[in-house]
Amino acid sequence: DAGVIQSPRHEVTEMGQEVTLRCKPISGHNSLFWYRQTMMRGLELLIYFNNNVPIDDSGMPEDRFSAKMPNASFSTLKIQPSEPRDSAVYFCASSPQGTWGYTFGSGTRLTVV
Amino acid sequence: AQSVTQPDIHITVSEGASLELRCNYSYGATPYLFWYVQSPGQGLQLLLKYFSGDTLVQGIKGFEAEFKRSQSSFNLRKPSVHWSDAAEYFCAVVPSGNTGKLIFGQGTTLQVKP
Repeated sequence: DAGVIQSPRHEVTEMGQEVTLRCKPISGHNSLFWYRQTMMRGLELLIYFNNNVPIDDSGMPEDRFSAKMPNASFSTLKIQPSEPRDSAVYFCASSPQGTWGYTFGSGTRLTVV
Repeated sequence: AQSVTQPDIHITVSEGASLELRCNYSYGATPYLFWYVQSPGQGLQLLLKYFSGDTLVQGIKGFEAEFKRSQSSFNLRKPSVHWSDAAEYFCAVVPSGNTGKLIFGQGTTLQVKP
């Protein structure tokens, strides 16, 4: 099993640009989570999906952030336009629904300059 | 307010010494409880989890944790720390009745002295 795969590993972009982060969950896992990690705020849950349906997006900081899960094997987190305060490590995690076996990807380190 | 708290931001122990990392939660009903470890530049790895039953839970890498309902605590322990245990440790909860929202504490950074 390849685990949860995130791409890119590192992203440097200029303020105002659109950024798309990608995640491929573990096959058979039907829950997917996006987290953001910063020194100031720690690990924050942004949004999570069950069976490709967004369940709770209350952690999405503002309308500049959007997430989609078009199928069971792929999810994106998009920031448009990006701002320097969006700089963080973004983690994707997946889990078989109801078993709480969360597996995290290696993260995407985003730097907005 | 509902929360999960790790009172110690930073802990330093000598190699070979015992370790206890504290975690307290504030939820009406007992949540599901987890400990994760994060090495620098890496993702999070699950050490152990508690749902119900035996309150002493064994995990990977020689770690264990004890659930104490009366204290709303789920402290992580290891009898003898190795230099490779230096990392950041996160306590996390899924609130009871929730559909899976994993909420993390602020983390404890462990430094191991030779």
